[in-house]
Amino acid sequence: GENVEQHPSTLSVQEGDSAVIKCTYSDSASNYFPWYKQELGKRPQLIIDIRSNVGEKKDQRIAVTLNKTAKHFSLHITETQPEDSAVYFCAAPRDTGFQKLVFGTGTRLLVSP
Amino acid sequence: GAVVSQHPSRVICKSGTSVKIECRSLDFQATTMFWYRQFPKKSLMLMATSNEGSKATYEQGVEKDKFLINHASLTLSTLTVTSAHPEDSSFYICSARDQIHEQFFGPGTRLTVL
Repeated sequence: GENVEQHPSTLSVQEGDSAVIKCTYSDSASNYFPWYKQELGKRPQLIIDIRSNVGEKKDQRIAVTLNKTAKHFSLHITETQPEDSAVYFCAAPRDTGFQKLVFGTGTRLLVSP
Repeated sequence: GAVVSQHPSRVICKSGTSVKIECRSLDFQATTMFWYRQFPKKSLMLMATSNEGSKATYEQGVEKDKFLINHASLTLSTLTVTSAHPEDSSFYICSARDQIHEQFFGPGTRLTVL
């Protein structure tokens, strides 16, 4: 089955800096990789995802890159703002039907003003 | 994105009682819904997959008689925690999957069993 590892577990940056969170997966058949942002006590919210037919996807200050050969994908946040502070989870499909997701352990991002 | 609601948002109950949590997809039909449990500062643990019109499939270690799931329609799934005990206290979150694999989460239910 799929195994997802996420690093770092915590990340502190100054406002305006960039933040990068990395995840690795084990199943080479996986082809859908979402990233979720969860604020304290709130629901996880899908912020960006990537499918294996592309190597990079960007949405304003957020980008995700995928390296299928190395089986890792990364979330990049540029020009960080205090409201970016949250826990971020990566995920990968656990089955061939891509229904179930396996989540990483989460990264707590703190952006200091 | 799609909207998923969950009710109640918070419940406190006595040990031994049963608690029902509802999960609804408001603006799309979800043939598949998922139930997760999240401990403080931890990741999401999948408990079960709920498919409309069929029995739920449970993850290893999750007692199906303890956590009853019913997927009554394409927009509603319910999780009933039966005979709740303090160790069942947790944050329960549902999600609904749309046609292109994206999962949208409900706001969660914080269960406290006294």
